[in-house]
Amino acid sequence: ELKVEQNPLFLSMQEGKNYTIYCNYSTTSDRLYWYRQDPGKSLESLFVLLSNGAVKQEGRLMASLDTKARLSTLHITAAVHDLSATYFCAVERTGKLIFGQGTTLQVKP
Amino acid sequence: DAMVIQNPRYQVTQFGKPVTLSCSQTLNHNVMYWYQQKSSQAPKLLFHYYDKDFNNEADTPDNFQSRRPNTSFCFLDIRSPGLGDAAMYLCATSREGRQGVLGMNTEAFFGQGTRLTVV
Repeated sequence: ELKVEQNPLFLSMQEGKNYTIYCNYSTTSDRLYWYRQDPGKSLESLFVLLSNGAVKQEGRLMASLDTKARLSTLHITAAVHDLSATYFCAVERTGKLIFGQGTTLQVKP
Repeated sequence: DAMVIQNPRYQVTQFGKPVTLSCSQTLNHNVMYWYQQKSSQAPKLLFHYYDKDFNNEADTPDNFQSRRPNTSFCFLDIRSPGLGDAAMYLCATSREGRQGVLGMNTEAFFGQGTRLTVV
């Protein structure tokens, strides 16, 4: 059974600081996604990672994938308040998309 | 332009009164998913259609049913909503190629969700 675990589950950080969210999964995967969710809203796709060593960057967010370690990271650089949201990783295997628990990020001025 | 459209955005239903949520897509994707997301929790897969093939998750209650009359539309029917069924319901689509068919797979796209309240 595919299991996806994120840590930390809650992260409070100061503006300007850097931090990393980790996503571990239990079996091989076809794709790994990172999503952002604002309160009361749907999921916004941030990154799709397909292969070992994949690295993608958008603004202050950078995602990477290590399929051998079954680990993905979402790195936040110089956080700003607008990044406050819940971030989910999700792993796709044989057509099913399974989510991690989510990491709620709170960026304080 | 919205590609995965869910209706309604907000639904209030009475305890025990059947309710139907709808999802439509303009992407011609062959896979459609329904997820339930309760407050402060991760989305939980209820079931998905791979073309016309229905795939139910083992822990999805019988109270939840789904229909897919054609490629573009998928419905979630809750036969007798309870207070515990109040949640955000998310529809997603993707294109998955058959085994051995390369270059067909796409990422999943989510709709805006329907927030269900049970009173």
